[in-house]
Amino acid sequence: SQQGEEDPQALSIQEGENATMNCSYKTSINNLQWYRQNSGRGLVHLILIRSNEREKHSGRLRVTLDTSKKSSSLLITASRAADTASYFCATPDSGNTPLVFGKGTRLSVIA
Amino acid sequence: EAQVTQNPRYLITVTGKKLTVTCSQNMNHEYMSWYRQDPGLGLRQIYYSMNVEVTDKGDVPEGYKVSRKEKRNFPLILESPSPNQTSLYFCASSFQGQFGGELFFGEGSRLTVL
Repeated sequence: SQQGEEDPQALSIQEGENATMNCSYKTSINNLQWYRQNSGRGLVHLILIRSNEREKHSGRLRVTLDTSKKSSSLLITASRAADTASYFCATPDSGNTPLVFGKGTRLSVIA
Repeated sequence: EAQVTQNPRYLITVTGKKLTVTCSQNMNHEYMSWYRQDPGLGLRQIYYSMNVEVTDKGDVPEGYKVSRKEKRNFPLILESPSPNQTSLYFCASSFQGQFGGELFFGEGSRLTVL
């Protein structure tokens, strides 16, 4: 099954800096979702972007989607120590199948 | 409060001793799913259910069983656990399944099989 692949695997930044994570996928999708996971906890949905959308904002989060390149990016602006977590992208495997998750980007925000 | 509840949260068991991890959601969601999370492998889907009495295999169903007799409950059954099933397990639910709805996750069940 296809799997979104996040890049980089790990990212360490200073508080106040912006963090950018990327996700690439293999086949056409209906939507792409981003989730956050604090260490050992359940995943929390952040944002969903549909295939006909190019950009979406939610608070300090900005997600872009480039279907021609089969890629998405998640930007967290003015990062805080509390943003330290793993971030996952998730896509349907094909038009009628459940979400498949990537392996995630581990973000560390240093105060 | 809308939530997905898993039990137990932590469990240590021995090889071959049947166990059940329960999952319950209070959001009237049709779609429910089980994932396991292992270091370096990310989240992998075990089974999912689109509605009552409808279940399908995910990517790693071997060694697991599920049932969906009621909309709110989706238990994960390990008939004869083995050490390679030591993992962190997550139950998730969604109103619209994979198309439009966000997945709501439980807090996870950490299982160790000795």
